[in-house]
Amino acid sequence: DVKVTQSSRYLVKRTGEKVFLECVQDMDHENMFWYRQDPGLGLRLIYFSYDVKMKEKGDIPEGYSVSREKKERFSLILESASTNQTSMYLCASSSSDRSTQYFGPGTRLTVL
Amino acid sequence: QQQVKQSPQSLIVQKGGIPIINCAYENTAFDYFPWYQQFPGKGPALLIAIRPDVSEKKEGRFTISFNKSAKQFSLHIMDSQPGDSATYFCAASTEGTDKLIFGTGTRLQVFP
Repeated sequence: DVKVTQSSRYLVKRTGEKVFLECVQDMDHENMFWYRQDPGLGLRLIYFSYDVKMKEKGDIPEGYSVSREKKERFSLILESASTNQTSMYLCASSSSDRSTQYFGPGTRLTVL
Repeated sequence: QQQVKQSPQSLIVQKGGIPIINCAYENTAFDYFPWYQQFPGKGPALLIAIRPDVSEKKEGRFTISFNKSAKQFSLHIMDSQPGDSATYFCAASTEGTDKLIFGTGTRLQVFP
């Protein structure tokens, strides 16, 4: 079974802190994604990576950056956390050619 | 800009009922339409998907109906069960990209 793990289920940070969210997949997938999920807004793509060191902005990249140094690991970075970044963050992975996206369980981030 | 409009936002049915969730799109380049199911505390998981060369696809109690001319597709759940209580997301993508555009989600509650 494909497994996507996220480093934390719950995280509480203070405004202005630098925050790292880590995601690891064990299926040698080329693609990895970071979404945020907010009530009434669905899943919105923050960043997408289609290969090591390759990244592409999604719909809401402002305030976020990403890093993919190894194929299995994709990190989301909040350089200076703000309260409007309080949300559920979901990581997903897929092989190429529009195959199924497999999601991790999510990290609920609260920024105080 | 929301490219996939999903309705209703929430739905309550009794066991055995047939909940219907609708999605509409504008981009005629979309050619892949998956539905994802998300249980509380879990990440979304692929439920069923359709391509526009067919008007209907069934997998067990779940059916996607697709109307290309109206640019609409819907999910029907036959003989719904309390275990179907979850949030459902429709999505769409175009050829040449592995990114999905998600709808805003429908929270379904099935009561015994």
